[in-house]
Amino acid sequence: GNSVTQMEGPVTLSEEAFLTINCTYTATGYPSLFWYVQYPGEGLQLLLKATKADDKGSNKGFEATYRKETTSFHLEKGSVQVSDSAVYFCALITGANSKLTFGKGITLSVRP
Amino acid sequence: GAGVSQTPSNKVTEKGKYVELRCDPISGHTALYWYRQSLGQGPEFLIYFQGTGAADDSGLPNDRFFAVRPEGSVSTLKIQRTERGDSAVYLCASSPGDSSYNEQFFGPGTRLTVL
Repeated sequence: GNSVTQMEGPVTLSEEAFLTINCTYTATGYPSLFWYVQYPGEGLQLLLKATKADDKGSNKGFEATYRKETTSFHLEKGSVQVSDSAVYFCALITGANSKLTFGKGITLSVRP
Repeated sequence: GAGVSQTPSNKVTEKGKYVELRCDPISGHTALYWYRQSLGQGPEFLIYFQGTGAADDSGLPNDRFFAVRPEGSVSTLKIQRTERGDSAVYLCASSPGDSSYNEQFFGPGTRLTVL
């Protein structure tokens, strides 16, 4: 079956620090990979995605590269802001209009 | 335009009671999904509709859980004989359903508490 493993949290950083959140996966078939974000008091929203190997998804200064050889999709941002404080979920899908498989999520807190 | 909406936003019930949770997808989206998110966990898939029919119900935990989408738009998740372990946030998502790997748009969720 499919599974997504995220690094343990929570993560607390100072503003302008570099961020890496690790995500690895196992999948039957060839997955598309996603990062979803949940800001305080809001619903889940798509942050970025990549649909094939070596693709880089990017949005709001965040980036993640689909690495098939290491089955990873690590999320990075060069300089975090207080407004990036949220819960981040790595997820995958292995079929058209199919179900998402999520990791446990990690809480990021950014201090001013 | 309007996003996915879910009602109620919070539901408190007693063990053994019946509850219904409603989802209004984005207009025109043919695919609709239900997920359940327990505290400290990521969302877990329950059921997927394409139009009116349940295309995949493999995530429903047992026969106390049932979902319908009679007109291919609004969906209702029904839970019979609720148990304390059913307490979670129930999320609904929709997508256009007309091509591969569409983004799923999530609603704000219904927080169910079973006392």
